[in-house]
Amino acid sequence: AQSVTQPDIHITVSEGASLELRCNYSYGATPYLFWYVQSPGQGLQLLLKYFSGDTLVQGIKGFEAEFKRSQSSFNLRKPSVHWSDAAEYFCAVGPYSSASKIIFGSGTRLSIRP
Amino acid sequence: DTAVSQTPKYLVTQMGNDKSIKCEQNLGHDTMYWYKQDSKKFLKIMFSYNNKELIINETVPNRFSPKSPDKAHLNLHINSLELGDSAVYFCASSGEDNSPLHFGNGTRLTVT
Repeated sequence: AQSVTQPDIHITVSEGASLELRCNYSYGATPYLFWYVQSPGQGLQLLLKYFSGDTLVQGIKGFEAEFKRSQSSFNLRKPSVHWSDAAEYFCAVGPYSSASKIIFGSGTRLSIRP
Repeated sequence: DTAVSQTPKYLVTQMGNDKSIKCEQNLGHDTMYWYKQDSKKFLKIMFSYNNKELIINETVPNRFSPKSPDKAHLNLHINSLELGDSAVYFCASSGEDNSPLHFGNGTRLTVT
């Protein structure tokens, strides 16, 4: 079965500290992977996506993610978080051919400690 | 310019009522979607629709129906609202070039 697991429900980091949000997936074919961010009261905004090529993907707002096929993981990282990064983060996976088949993880809420 | 816009942002109504949520996208995308986000933030697709095909998630009650007057609009009609329909509903769109989903800001529906 296809699935996305975000094992951390809530993470708190200090402003300026590094961040890593975990995402593991189970997918039968070559996965198309995404990270989205949802700020309070807002819709989901795409941070980055990966289908092929360099396994380290750069996104917006200073985020990056690394695809590790052997670990079925697509973890999101940022070297130094800002207070404005506090939000809900969603990992998603789907086929390259159809956005309607994208499935989302349950999200990780990120809080920033001043 | 808002790429995907939906109205209203908040909707409070009583059980048994019928309501609609509107969605418009100005991205020129061919496919639009409705998602439901429950109180635990879990996001689940309800419908996807382009001018050729409507795909309905089989778990969606038939009280929910999408209506698309044209390619840029996909409205969501809900009949006989129930308490369990309370959630945030997101409209989204995507293009044919395998572009990712673009989301609206959501409509928080509260059924009392």
